[in-house]
Amino acid sequence: NAGVTQTPKFQVLKTGQSMTLQCAQDMNHEYMSWYRQDPGMGLRLIHYSVGAGITDQGEVPNGYNVSRSTTEDFPLRLLSAAPSQTSVYFCASSRDRVGSGYTFGSGTRLTVV
Amino acid sequence: ELKVEQNPLFLSMQEGKNYTIYCNYSTTSDRLYWYRQDPGKSLESLFVLLSNGAVKQEGRLMASLDTKARLSTLHITAAVHDLSATYFCAVDGDSNYQLIWGAGTKLIIKP
Repeated sequence: NAGVTQTPKFQVLKTGQSMTLQCAQDMNHEYMSWYRQDPGMGLRLIHYSVGAGITDQGEVPNGYNVSRSTTEDFPLRLLSAAPSQTSVYFCASSRDRVGSGYTFGSGTRLTVV
Repeated sequence: ELKVEQNPLFLSMQEGKNYTIYCNYSTTSDRLYWYRQDPGKSLESLFVLLSNGAVKQEGRLMASLDTKARLSTLHITAAVHDLSATYFCAVDGDSNYQLIWGAGTKLIIKP
């Protein structure tokens, strides 16, 4: 039972490069989210999805795109990396809207130079 | 706009002592969550509190929710070193955003 799997665990990008952070869950959860975690700021929601084919913006969506073509996968794309996107990124999934709590992936530590 | 404030943000304590972490939030909500994060690791769900007066306990940790006061507490009883971690509370604000998070309380328990 893998839960939520994120890849890669670490990544260094140059300013202006693009990349995709992968997230997959095997729990048949409808709800999936991407968060970024910065020191002293808790987690901030980037994008979320309530089911396949449905996505919406969170608190800090600029510079990121998402898609949800299947229930299992929810990739996060950085369009043109900037140093301000240096952060730790977490993918999370939940069985229902919020009542059961979220299961988090192990995180991706991204550095943009 | 929903805001979530935790205090203290940093707490250093001795083993065997009791202490409480507070989570205040600014608008009406009856759903609050506590998570634990070890350094360099992911977040682990501790408690899900879904109604006023909810109280949940797991080992030396007990969480409660007072929706009228917009306050949740995480109480640590007879702390042990293994409880050293950063603890986050998160609130469901019923908006487009799903959860609003506190900044976290870094807890260090000295043997």
